[in-house]
Amino acid sequence: GAGVSQSPRYKVAKRGQDVALRCDPISGHVSLFWYQQALGQGPEFLTYFQNEAQLDKSGLPSDRFFAERPEGSVSTLKIQRTQQEDSAVYLCASSFGLAVADTQYFGPGTRLTVL
Amino acid sequence: LAKTTQPISMDSYEGQEVNITCSHNNIATNDYITWYQQFPSQGPRFIIQGYKTKVTNEVASLFIPADRKSSTLSLPRVSLSDTAVYYCLVGGFSSNTGKLIFGQGTTLQVKP
Repeated sequence: GAGVSQSPRYKVAKRGQDVALRCDPISGHVSLFWYQQALGQGPEFLTYFQNEAQLDKSGLPSDRFFAERPEGSVSTLKIQRTQQEDSAVYLCASSFGLAVADTQYFGPGTRLTVL
Repeated sequence: LAKTTQPISMDSYEGQEVNITCSHNNIATNDYITWYQQFPSQGPRFIIQGYKTKVTNEVASLFIPADRKSSTLSLPRVSLSDTAVYYCLVGGFSSNTGKLIFGQGTTLQVKP
C-alpha cells in the first residue's frame, strides 16, 4: 500500500473488554513501532519490532498490553481488560531499515475510548 | 536522553515566514535533530532532519548553530494548511531501537 494503515480507526469499549488494534506497515519495512498518544500530548513509545522479533517493549504500561508481529509484516496490539486510562490514540509507525535515524512513517492511528 | 524545550504555541499569518526554535542543551555528539508535523486526527509526518549547519528541503529549512544546543525550523510563506503541531526530537534514538521521544510540541496557528 501507499502508506501505513490502521484498523479500526475508532473503537469504543466497555471497561473490562479486550480490544485488538491492527497495523499494516508499508510493504518491505523491517521496523515497526507502536506509540500511545493521550489528548494534547505527544506520542509515547510503547514497543518496537524488527521483523517478527519484539526487541523493545519497555514502553508497554502494564501486562495487560501485548503486541505481536508473527510474520514480520502485520502487527496487532492487544489490550486486555481495558481501563478508562487506556483511552488514547494508538499510533503505528514503520521504517525501512534498521538505522536508528531512519524516517518513521506513521499511520492515522486508532482512537480508543473506554467507557 | 536529551530533553527539548520549544514554545507551546505560536501564531502567524498567511504568507509570513515562521521560525520555531527548539533548545536542547544536553544534546549528545551522535544525536540527530528531527522535526515532525502532526495534523489533527493524523499521525506525525517527518519534515526534516539534520546534524549541523543548515539543511533545506522542499518543505522547510533547519538551522543548527555550531554548538548544536538549539535548532530552528523555518517554514517559508506559511499557508492556512500549515496549522499543525510541530515536534522537535533530539536524542530520541536509542542505540538499539530507534524509538522516538516526543515532547509536547509547538502548536502553530496560521491566520488568514
